Amino acid sequence: GAGVSQTPSNKVTEKGKYVELRCDPISGHTALYWYRQSLGQGPEFLIYFQGTGAADDSGLPNDRFFAVRPEGSVSTLKIQRTERGDSAMYLCASSSPSGGDSSYNEQFFGPGTRLTVL
Amino acid sequence: EDQVTQSPEALRLQEGESSSLNCSYTVSGLRGLFWYRQDPGKGPEFLFTLYSAGEEKEKERLKATLTKKESFLHITAPKPEDSATYLCAVRTFGNQFYFGTGTSLTVIP
Repeated sequence: GAGVSQTPSNKVTEKGKYVELRCDPISGHTALYWYRQSLGQGPEFLIYFQGTGAADDSGLPNDRFFAVRPEGSVSTLKIQRTERGDSAMYLCASSSPSGGDSSYNEQFFGPGTRLTVL
Repeated sequence: EDQVTQSPEALRLQEGESSSLNCSYTVSGLRGLFWYRQDPGKGPEFLFTLYSAGEEKEKERLKATLTKKESFLHITAPKPEDSATYLCAVRTFGNQFYFGTGTSLTVIP
């Protein structure tokens, strides 16, 4: 597709359960970012991939959160033992390589996955 | 500490009443400043990128400017469809992105 896609659009789960959120970036974009956004707040950085590797995972709040991007395209954010405080909108964004022409630095966001932990 | 602050938090304008939104930042090295529009329940939509002080960009009723410490998003003669939350973000040389909390704009017909 032309844009970033995320599935599911909504996820309701119970406290303690495991969830996976998927992001399909724009074709050819090597950089992929995950953010978490709570109501009334700006997106909060979680993790950044350059290709298959996590270039910066300093935003992951604790070891219950993990993300992978095995083939350098689709990424999955995994949350173990979910807690009510994990409820938020999870956003994925992708961008072109940062080298060379800096006009390719902007991120393009997907529609997000609304996670609700009951 | 890298930080992005947006003001005001909320802004109500009459249709046609021009105004400006502010984004002030303190970062160790600025690689770019970005403006996004976000509608309720949706992901942010890219508007502008600014790279150096003095730079300006325009799109329809929006104009973004950049200084060494802040950026402004000017809205000229806004329409109700301009109602949204406007987010500012900075990218550092370390490829980290920091977002402000946004300005919620309401344009009243």
